[in-house]
Amino acid sequence: DAGVIQSPRHEVTEMGQEVTLRCKPISGHDYLFWYRQTMMRGLELLIYFNNNVPIDDSGMPEDRFSAKMPNASFSTLKIQPSEPRDSAVYFCASSPNGFITEAFFGQGTRLTVV
Amino acid sequence: KQEVTQIPAALSVPEGENLVLNCSFTDSAIYNLQWFRQDPGKGLTSLLLIQSSQREQTSGRLNASLDKSSGRSTLYIAASQPGDSATYLCAVINQAGTALIFGKGTTLSVSS
Repeated sequence: DAGVIQSPRHEVTEMGQEVTLRCKPISGHDYLFWYRQTMMRGLELLIYFNNNVPIDDSGMPEDRFSAKMPNASFSTLKIQPSEPRDSAVYFCASSPNGFITEAFFGQGTRLTVV
Repeated sequence: KQEVTQIPAALSVPEGENLVLNCSFTDSAIYNLQWFRQDPGKGLTSLLLIQSSQREQTSGRLNASLDKSSGRSTLYIAASQPGDSATYLCAVINQAGTALIFGKGTTLSVSS
C-alpha cells in the first residue's frame, strides 16, 4: 500500500474562497482522522470517522469546517469560506482500530489563506 | 483535561552523543503512549508504542520508557546521527481509547 495519500500538498487561496482537502486512507483501515497543526496549538484532532461514519467532530473549530467520507477510500475536509487564521498544515491519518492502534499519517496539506 | 508537555522545545547536540527527550502528562490514566518523528514538510512516523502495562520499548538505537504513576516518558537516542535531526512528538491515548493528545514536540538537531 502507498500509505495515506493527501492532496493537494500545498494550497494558497484568497480569503473567502472555498477550500477542499482530500485524503485516501490505507486500504482496510476502518478509522480516519483529520488533524490540524499550527505552531501555537500543535496538533489538534478535528474529526474522526469509523467505517465512514463521523464519530466525534467536537474538534471542528467552526461551522465553516465540514468533513465527509462518502466511501472507505476517500474523505474530504472543506472550509467555506476560508479565513487567514485557517492557515495551517492539515493531516489525515488512518488506523485499523481507532486510537489504540498505530496511526499512519499522510504528508499533510499546507494551507495558506491570504 | 489531559495535557502533554515536552521539554526542551529544541535541542542541539554533536554527532555521537546519547540524548534523552522528555514527555510529561497530567493524567496518569492512559491507555498507551506513542512517540512519533516528524521531518520538515512531512507527516508523522510512529517510532514506538508503549502499552500502559509496559515500562519500556526498544527499537534499534531508540528506547522509550514509561512511568505512569509520575506521568513521565523518556525517549533515549543512542549514538545520535545527523539523520536523527527531526521533531519528536509524544502522544498519549486516554484510558477509554477515544482520544490521542499530542505534545508540541522537541526539535532535535544533530551536527556532524
